[in-house]
Amino acid sequence: AQSVTQLGSHVSVSEGALVLLRCNYSSSVPPYLFWYVQYPNQGLQLLLKYTTGATLVKGINGFEAEFKKSETSFHLTKPSAHMSDAAEYFCAVNTGNQFYFGTGTSLTVIP
Amino acid sequence: GAVVSQHPSRVICKSGTSVKIECRSLDFQATTMFWYRQFPKQSLMLMATSNEGSKATYEQGVEKDKFLINHASLTLSTLTVTSAHPEDSSFYICSARPPGTPYNEQFFGPGTRLTVL
Repeated sequence: AQSVTQLGSHVSVSEGALVLLRCNYSSSVPPYLFWYVQYPNQGLQLLLKYTTGATLVKGINGFEAEFKKSETSFHLTKPSAHMSDAAEYFCAVNTGNQFYFGTGTSLTVIP
Repeated sequence: GAVVSQHPSRVICKSGTSVKIECRSLDFQATTMFWYRQFPKQSLMLMATSNEGSKATYEQGVEKDKFLINHASLTLSTLTVTSAHPEDSSFYICSARPPGTPYNEQFFGPGTRLTVL
């Protein structure tokens, strides 16, 4: 069975500070891992994904994530938070045809 | 890139009425589309998988008679919420996977906010 755990439903950071959003997964098969961002009343926008190859993946808006198989983690980071980063972030695992989403982390950026 | 649209973006209806939500893949053909439901401050929950030309596959606990799914063409899937009640108020999001897409990537629509009075 597949599952995704996002630690911390709310994260607050100061503008310019490091952003770290945590995601751990469980999967019986090698997973494809995704991070999506959702702005209020909008759909999901793909930030980045890990499929195969390099375990450090870079996405849009300066975000990156590292796949650590030994830790079954795929944490999302950004060196310097911007006000426009305030949104809901979802980690997801895909195995086969189905996505499994975490419960989401709401990021607040404090000016 | 692959674009998925939904219509309407928002709908308000009276209790007991039915509401149809459309999901379209604009620049690709999708044999499979997915319908998700998202309650406030919660994650997306897969409701059903819509298969072109055949019956939808519903997740456990989703009433197939209440949430009717039709995938009549390779670019259109519809979700009809029948006899809607206030507890059906939610954000409904569809997604589609372009054929031949590696890694099973899905593209999501912008969502439809349903409010049942």
